Amino acid sequence: GAVVSQHPSRVICKSGTSVKIECRSLDFQATTMFWYRQFPKKSLMLMATSNEGSKATYEQGVEKDKFLINHASLTLSTLTVTSAHPEDSSFYICSAGGGFGTDTQYFGPGTRLTVL
Amino acid sequence: GDSVTQMEGPVTLSEEAFLTINCTYTATGYPSLFWYVQYPGEGLQLLLKATKADDKGSNKGFEATYRKETTSFHLEKGSVQVSDSAVYFCAQWRSSASKIIFGSGTRLSIRP
Repeated sequence: GAVVSQHPSRVICKSGTSVKIECRSLDFQATTMFWYRQFPKKSLMLMATSNEGSKATYEQGVEKDKFLINHASLTLSTLTVTSAHPEDSSFYICSAGGGFGTDTQYFGPGTRLTVL
Repeated sequence: GDSVTQMEGPVTLSEEAFLTINCTYTATGYPSLFWYVQYPGEGLQLLLKATKADDKGSNKGFEATYRKETTSFHLEKGSVQVSDSAVYFCAQWRSSASKIIFGSGTRLSIRP
């Protein structure tokens, strides 16, 4: 099956610094990728949808200047948490699909971000 | 609007018990339906899917049937194992917006 990787799996940073999380589709091209945030024992909250070569579409309430998303190639999307604060600590998960309208998404293993 | 509702957890069962996790949806049209499983500390894995009415998705002993009449997609397994302990998410694909709508998740714990 399709494989999606994330890097790093775990990151600890100081308040005020920026953190970049990578999401890669390893054996397929992903024209669409999604970024989610998951709070402890909660469901996934969609943050944004990115399409290769165009700007990401952010969900209501998600600060686009704080959570920068770039989808520069068909196999890589990045999420940068800028000027991170402790309330940004969370589990971030990405997913990738083969194209606009593709209903099956493949999820990465997640990245645990802890901001001190 | 489109939504997914699944039974509240946690659900605790003994090994070899029968499992049902209820899931219902509201949608315009006939969305594809999914069950995803999340093991502790990991991302989500696709467990099974069904794309049209009366389709049955199955994988690893789990089954779910797409019921248009009752707008349901209940997950079942005849004999659970300790290794099935995880959080299970029911979901639909909202084609008009090209994104997944998740239920709240059901935590399942299996006692040896």
